[in-house]
Amino acid sequence: DTGVSQDPRHKITKRGQNVTFRCDPISEHNRLYWYRQTLGQGPEFLTYFQNEAQLEKSRLLSDRFSAERPKGSFSTLEIQRTEQGDSAMYLCASSEQGANEKLFFGSGTQLSVL
Amino acid sequence: AQTVTQSQPEMSVQEAETVTLSCTYDTSENNYYLFWYKQPPSRQMILVIRQEAYKQQNATENRFSVNFQKAAKSFSLKISDSQLGDTAMYFCAFMTAGTASKLTFGTGTRLQVTL
Repeated sequence: DTGVSQDPRHKITKRGQNVTFRCDPISEHNRLYWYRQTLGQGPEFLTYFQNEAQLEKSRLLSDRFSAERPKGSFSTLEIQRTEQGDSAMYLCASSEQGANEKLFFGSGTQLSVL
Repeated sequence: AQTVTQSQPEMSVQEAETVTLSCTYDTSENNYYLFWYKQPPSRQMILVIRQEAYKQQNATENRFSVNFQKAAKSFSLKISDSQLGDTAMYFCAFMTAGTASKLTFGTGTRLQVTL
């Protein structure tokens, strides 16, 4: 068990460019979550998957955002036509469905849009 | 909608002393969970302690304990025998039972442990 891993750790991009982040959850976890954390704030829920199905999306997830988890393992989060307001840390977490489910977080991808 | 409020942006405590971080929340739900997460400079959110709302007994994990007051909607974290490694941001979080672990976080308290 190597924990939740996210790649890249940092991403700097120019406004209008597309970016994609990857998350590898803990292998036996069937639930995967994306959160966004801006400076001075706690993380905010974006979306979650159970296996390969995307079951819920926050209103924060505009049309420029898309997330996938094609085989129920790793997930990608893509942001198209980035804006300066997209600058934030994007956190991925996973959990095992059950009575004592707890979220395990990765170290995040810090996005800076110039 | 649920809200979580942490009214202490920053706290400081000396090594080996005890410190209490405050958290209040607002919900109309009756069945829920409350959490304290720690976020060190490495940025990874680490679960510190978890409390089920239906349990009257306060949760404890080694040096960490909570004071859960359901009627007052208060959920404070007490750290005993503070260590330098406890320096981090601490987030209080709420989750309605049966909502697939979707967490609502507070704005955090930055804790500095000094020598």
